[in-house]
Amino acid sequence: AQKITQTQPGMFVQEKEAVTLDCTYDTSDPSYGLFWYKQPSSGEMIFLIYQGSYDQQNATEGRYSLNFQKARKSANLVISASQLGDSAMYFCAMREGAGDSNYQLIWGAGTKLIIKP
Amino acid sequence: NAGVTQTPKFQVLKTGQSMTLQCAQDMNHEYMSWYRQDPGMGLRLIHYSVGAGITDQGEVPNGYNVSRSTTEDFPLRLLSAAPSQTSVYFCASSRQPQGRNGYTFGSGTRLTVV
Repeated sequence: AQKITQTQPGMFVQEKEAVTLDCTYDTSDPSYGLFWYKQPSSGEMIFLIYQGSYDQQNATEGRYSLNFQKARKSANLVISASQLGDSAMYFCAMREGAGDSNYQLIWGAGTKLIIKP
Repeated sequence: NAGVTQTPKFQVLKTGQSMTLQCAQDMNHEYMSWYRQDPGMGLRLIHYSVGAGITDQGEVPNGYNVSRSTTEDFPLRLLSAAPSQTSVYFCASSRQPQGRNGYTFGSGTRLTVV
C-alpha cells in the first residue's frame, strides 16, 4: 500500500488565488514527521514546511501552511495568494519513528502546480 | 556558498561502466543521504550515513556503494552501470536525521545509461 498519496497529478490555479495540495499518509507509528518540498523546473529540491505528529498547532511558514488532520491522516499544503513563481512540482514526504531509529523519507509522487497569470 | 554540492550535473555512461557521483557539504551536517528520482515516482533512498565511518542501506541499494571518510564528503559509486540506473540522483544532508528543519539537497545529477 502507498504510504504517501498525492491524488492530484496536476493543478492549474489563477494567480493570487489560494491553493491546496492534498497529501494523505499511512502509518501505524504514533511518532512521525511530515515534510513538503518544492521542485522548480530548475530541478533543485526546496524544503517548505514540517509538521510533527505531536505538534499541537498546524505548521506555518510565510505563505505556506499545513492543514494537518491527524485522524484523517492528511497533511495538505496551503499556499496563500499564489504567485507565478509558485509554479513547480510539490512533494509530500514522511519520516516514521522517533529519535534516530529511522532515517528514510518516504515520498509521494508529487503534484505539478501551474499558476496562470 | 554554503550548501550541498553535487558533481557532475550530467553524465552519460555505457552499460557496464563504473563511475562515482560526488557530494560535498560545508554545513558540518552529520546526516547525509543519496536518493534517486524517477519519472512519476517520489524519491527513493539509496544509502545514507549518520556520520563519518558509518553508512547503511536504504530502500534501493543494489548496484551502488558508498563510503564516508569525512564529515564533508559522501560519494556514491555505481559499480557496473545498467540502463535501470538512468535517473536523477540527489544528495541531501541534515544536522540531525530527524530533519525537523528540513534536508538540504544538492542540485542533482542527471545520469543516462545507454
